[in-house]
Amino acid sequence: DTAVSQTPKYLVTQMGNDKSIKCEQNLGHDTMYWYKQDSKKFLKIMFSYNNKELIINETVPNRFSPKSPDKAHLNLHINSLELGDSAVYFCASSQVTSGELFFGEGSRLTVL
Amino acid sequence: AQRVTQPEKLLSVFKGAPVELKCNYSYSGSPELFWYVQYSRQRLQLLLRHISRESIKGFTADLNKGETSFHLKKPFAQEEDSAMYYCALSGPGTYKYIFGTGTRLKVLA
Repeated sequence: DTAVSQTPKYLVTQMGNDKSIKCEQNLGHDTMYWYKQDSKKFLKIMFSYNNKELIINETVPNRFSPKSPDKAHLNLHINSLELGDSAVYFCASSQVTSGELFFGEGSRLTVL
Repeated sequence: AQRVTQPEKLLSVFKGAPVELKCNYSYSGSPELFWYVQYSRQRLQLLLRHISRESIKGFTADLNKGETSFHLKKPFAQEEDSAMYYCALSGPGTYKYIFGTGTRLKVLA
C-alpha cells in the first residue's frame, strides 16, 4: 500500500557512471517532484512534472534528465556522475498545487 | 526573493519543556505555509499546514503575516518528538515548494 515508492534505496557507484532512480505513486496525483537532500540535510527542489509535462527545472545540470512516461511515474537518470552528486534523492507527489506533498523513502546515492 | 529561514540547526530540550522551532519566510504574495517532519528512518511527512489551523501531536503553528513567521510550538516536549523538522512554503499555482534548511529537535530524557 506504499503511496510513493522509489527504487533503489541505496546506490553506490563510481564517478563517471550513469545511473537511474525510479519513482512510482499510486495516489492518482497529477504532480510529481524530485528533491535533493545534501549532507547538511538541506532539501532543494530539482524538477516538477504536472501531467507528464515538465513544470520546474531548478537550474539542475543537464546531466540530470527526468522522464515521466505517465502520470504515476517520474524517473531520474543521471549521466557522468560526480562526487557532488552524492546525496539523498526524494521523489514526491501532490494532487493540486499548494497541496500536501507525499514523499518517497528516499534513494541514497554515493559516488566514489 | 522566495526564501524560508530556519535559524536553528539543532534544538535540544528536556522532556516536558516547551519547544519552539522558528521559521521565517520571504515571499511576495500569500503563500501557504507547512511544517514537515522526518522521524529517524522514516519518510518526510506533513505535520501541519496553516490553512487547517489544527493541532497535530500537540504541535501548533500560527502564521504571523506582519512578522512573516510560522513558528512551530509545543507546550510539553516528548521524547518521541525527536526528529528533523522542515518549514516550507508554496505559492498558489506555482507547483513549487520551498523548504527551509531544517531544525533537528532532540528531546532529552
